[in-house]
Amino acid sequence: GDSVTQMEGPVTLSEEAFLTINCTYTATGYPSLFWYVQYPGEGLQLLLKATKADDKGSNKGFEATYRKETTSFHLEKGSVQVSDSAVYFCALSGSGGSYIPTFGRGTSLIVHP
Amino acid sequence: DTAVSQTPKYLVTQMGNDKSIKCEQNLGHDTMYWYKQDSKKFLKIMFSYNNKELIINETVPNRFSPKSPDKAHLNLHINSLELGDSAVYFCASRRDGVNAEAFFGQGTRLTVV
Repeated sequence: GDSVTQMEGPVTLSEEAFLTINCTYTATGYPSLFWYVQYPGEGLQLLLKATKADDKGSNKGFEATYRKETTSFHLEKGSVQVSDSAVYFCALSGSGGSYIPTFGRGTSLIVHP
Repeated sequence: DTAVSQTPKYLVTQMGNDKSIKCEQNLGHDTMYWYKQDSKKFLKIMFSYNNKELIINETVPNRFSPKSPDKAHLNLHINSLELGDSAVYFCASRRDGVNAEAFFGQGTRLTVV
């Protein structure tokens, strides 16, 4: 079945540091890939997405590139802020005809001033 | 205007009780979901429903049942609540199409005492 593997957290950084959160997936066919963010006490919201190989999704300074050859979709940001502290989820859907989104276990990011 | 809304936000109840969580979406989406998020933030799909098909995660106890009075609503009924049911429950919706992202409600924190 489909699965998404994320690096374990928490990831703790100082403000303005570079961020990478690794994500790899196993799926049938060509799924769409997503990053969602969950702020404390809230639901998940879409951060960015990519729908085919070599696509780059970007939003709010975050980027991720769909790498079919390595089945990866790593999240990066050049300079994190305290307000980026949240839990980040990598997800996929559209694999093998299933449109039920499959999520990774989430990675907590803590940014210190 | 809230796209996906859940009520209540918090629910504290005793073991053995029956409770319901309501979910409404005003996005015109055809598919709705219920997810359970445990204390480690892991998201587990419970149900996927559109106006044609209900897909049940086979690991979900039959004490849990989704009920959809119309396309915009998917409520979650839980019978004979147990301590292990304590978690945050999220409703989500999504339009049809492989590239579409899911929209989440704010979550319902259920505590069984």
